[in-house]
Amino acid sequence: KQEVTQIPAALSVPEGENLVLNCSFTDSAIYNLQWFRQDPGKGLTSLLLIQSSQREQTSGRLNASLDKSSGRSTLYIAASQPGDSATYLCVVNDYKLSFGAGTTVTVRA
Amino acid sequence: NAGVTQTPKFQVLKTGQSMTLQCAQDMNHEYMSWYRQDPGMGLRLIHYSVGAGITDQGEVPNGYNVSRSTTEDFPLRLLSAAPSQTSVYFCASTQTGSGYTFGSGTRLTVV
Repeated sequence: KQEVTQIPAALSVPEGENLVLNCSFTDSAIYNLQWFRQDPGKGLTSLLLIQSSQREQTSGRLNASLDKSSGRSTLYIAASQPGDSATYLCVVNDYKLSFGAGTTVTVRA
Repeated sequence: NAGVTQTPKFQVLKTGQSMTLQCAQDMNHEYMSWYRQDPGMGLRLIHYSVGAGITDQGEVPNGYNVSRSTTEDFPLRLLSAAPSQTSVYFCASTQTGSGYTFGSGTRLTVV
């Protein structure tokens, strides 16, 4: 069974700092991996999708890397802003979705 | 706007009542699924469908029914609501080569 772990569980940084969110998974035979953002009481908003054949994806200040062989993905958020405060979920798709527990980020103004 | 639409956003039910949570997508996605999100337990798969007329059970199907008569719609029925079904429900869709798109959720309270 695929196990997805996100470290740290929570993170508090001052505005402007870069964020590094880690995700590890146990079975490297994945189809793709997706990073989502969830604000309190809201739905899941897709940030980045990395196919199994890709090493990284970038969108604006966000960059996600994927190392299938080691079972790891990292989400980098550059120059954090208070609006980046949210819970970030790593979701692994091996034809069934497995969810990490999330990293709750607080960016202090 | 293309996406997954869920209704209602909030609902309070009495124990034993039945209701249907609606989910519709306009992206022509073949695959649709329902999840529930509970504190400390993450998202768990209730039912899913790989196309119109085809549905299957997920991890926690008891107490829920689904049907898929069209590509666009995938309603979730609670047959006889129980307090244990108090949760936030998310519908999602995808197709081959794409990521998942989630709806904004339905917050259900069963009293």
